[in-house]
Amino acid sequence: KAGVTQTPRYLIKTRGQQVTLSCSPISGHRSVSWYQQTPGQGLQFLFEYFSETQRNKGNFPGRFSGRQFSNSRSEMNVSTLELGDSALYLCASSLEFGQGGSSPLHFGNGTRLTVT
Amino acid sequence: DQQVKQNSPSLSVQEGRISILNCDYTNSMFDYFLWYKKYPAEGPTFLISISSIKDKNEDGRFTVFLNKSAKHLSLHIVPSQPGDSAVYFCAASGSQGNLIFGKGTKLSVKP
Repeated sequence: KAGVTQTPRYLIKTRGQQVTLSCSPISGHRSVSWYQQTPGQGLQFLFEYFSETQRNKGNFPGRFSGRQFSNSRSEMNVSTLELGDSALYLCASSLEFGQGGSSPLHFGNGTRLTVT
Repeated sequence: DQQVKQNSPSLSVQEGRISILNCDYTNSMFDYFLWYKKYPAEGPTFLISISSIKDKNEDGRFTVFLNKSAKHLSLHIVPSQPGDSAVYFCAASGSQGNLIFGKGTKLSVKP
């Protein structure tokens, strides 16, 4: 069974630009979550989508947005990029909504975004 | 404020010995605790979890212990192998469903 696939693996953008990251979950998984990983803050929750609806959102500004399609694939968009947005963006999928031990997250390998 | 803390950024252990990774939390409403392992250039991989109603869960070489009164959990790896060298993240799941991660502990297992 294929794992969570994220594209692209690496991305370099300049300040002020916008970027879209893509995530294909494990087949049969209906929930997709996004996390930002930085050396100083660790893994921080961005949002979770289930059945094309955002079910939960972390404490990030409105420049960060996402969506989920009917086939459970998800995209994340960051507008007006800032230097501090440089990070590893991780997508994770699970069978059902909620990320407790009964339905643990399966992560992709991430997209490394560098903002210059 | 960090709700999930891993106070040791790194840990070095000899092959064959026990590795003990620790995690503290502040919110008594967390209902599940999980451990993830991360190799460089890869996403985190789920290792083991424990419900807040239990105090121990075992899976092969990995055992997680939960001490609710101390708001502390630990991951024991016995015996440790060089392939276990990775960053280990502790995470907690609360009522809103999202996972709150600690900042990780880098484990090095020396042959």
